[in-house]
Parts: sequence; structure tokens; C-alpha cells
Amino acid sequence: EIVLTQSPGTLSLSPGERATLSCRASQSVSSSYLAWYQQKPGQAPRLLIYGASSRATGIPDRFSGSGSGTDFTLTISRLEPEDFAVYYCQQYGSSPNTFGGGTKVEIK
Amino acid sequence: EVQLVESGGGLVQPGRSLRLSCAASGFTFDDYAMHWVRQAPGKGLEWVSGISWNSGSIGYADSVKGRFTISRDNAKNSLYLQMNSLRAEDTALYYCAKGSGAVAGVNWFDPWGQGTLVTVSS
Repeated sequence: EIVLTQSPGTLSLSPGERATLSCRASQSVSSSYLAWYQQKPGQAPRLLIYGASSRATGIPDRFSGSGSGTDFTLTISRLEPEDFAVYYCQQYGSSPNTFGGGTKVEIK
Repeated sequence: EVQLVESGGGLVQPGRSLRLSCAASGFTFDDYAMHWVRQAPGKGLEWVSGISWNSGSIGYADSVKGRFTISRDNAKNSLYLQMNSLRAEDTALYYCAKGSGAVAGVNWFDPWGQGTLVTVSS
């Protein structure tokens, strides 16, 4: 199975700053079948990005995804207070679906 | 509005069984694959199982293969997970999630239900 490694484990930033989250795969993710989710405490995950770079419905344009092959990035251009959360990547091009371990974006 | 509501969780002893349900509304249920994803307390996400629109294609994580059975009833807009021979390591919040397509294999998940908690302990 494809193992996804997210880094850093925790990102401490201030509102207004730029956040760059990394997701590295143990083997190439076919057709850039990679998604990103946001999870806040006590809530279910919410889809942000699919197909490595397509924003889901209703997701603000400060969220962007990029990458291909084994290296993918989620960028939040300017952090809003509601963006502090845990972010997970998921590959869905190879069975089984797998998730990364998550990156927590916390307020500095 | 798409809604997924899970039920059936609870406290169960090791080795016993439990059946989870997910009631779907707000979309054409039999057009989409459906999945179960779990999250152990304080941990990350783990895909458990997925089923295609017509139940023709089903997949399981190795950790649950042979113990869990996924099914769906399109007439009732419902998804199920029969969990047998439960272990302590199955303790988690179990989410129901709508797949992005009809076939279970290549799906992102959107949306997710709020989850139902399964605790396996003596």
C-alpha cells in the first residue's frame, strides 16, 4: 500500500501568515489522485482539495493544492482564525485508500 | 443538502459483534459508492471499507478483512457495517462518507457524517 508522510507534524503560525503543508508518498500517486481534508476538534473531516489541485465546492481560494508523482503541497495563502485545524492528505489512486498522519496548524 | 447520519455505536466486549448504520439523504444514493472511515481516539484517519453503487465491488482494509462486512440497501438509502470478532484496536469513531463516483475504487470522500463511537472493552 502507498504510505503518505505529512510534514511538519505541527506548524505554529500567526493569522495572516502563509502555511505550506507537505505530503510525500512512498510511490507515485497515479493520475494525481490526491485529496486534502481539514478537521477541526469535534468535527468530521471536510474535503478541501481533490485531484491534487481542484478546490471542492465552497472552499475559499486562499486554499490551493499542487504537486504530482510523490510530492504534494497544500498552501493556505493567508491564515484566517478558522483555518487553525488538522489537515490530512489522502491518496485514492491505489487500493487501499490511505491517509497521511496529519499536520496540525496551530496559533503561534 | 446532503446528510449522512451514523448510528449503532456503543460499548461492546472483545469478541462480540456490532452493526453500524448510516442513513443518507439529499442525494441520489444509488448513484454513488459509499465508505466507512474510522479514527481512533487522538489518532489519524483509516479507511475501513467501501462499496460500489450496486454492491458489485467491495473492498476492505487488511485490518478488518474477514471480520467486517459492508452492505447497502438502496431502497432504504442506507449503508451498513457488520463488525464481528471485535478487538480493542477497533475502538474508534466510525464515519460514513459518500464517495465521489459510482465505483468504490477511485474516490475522494465528500461529505462525511458526524460519526458513531465504537468502544471495545471488557
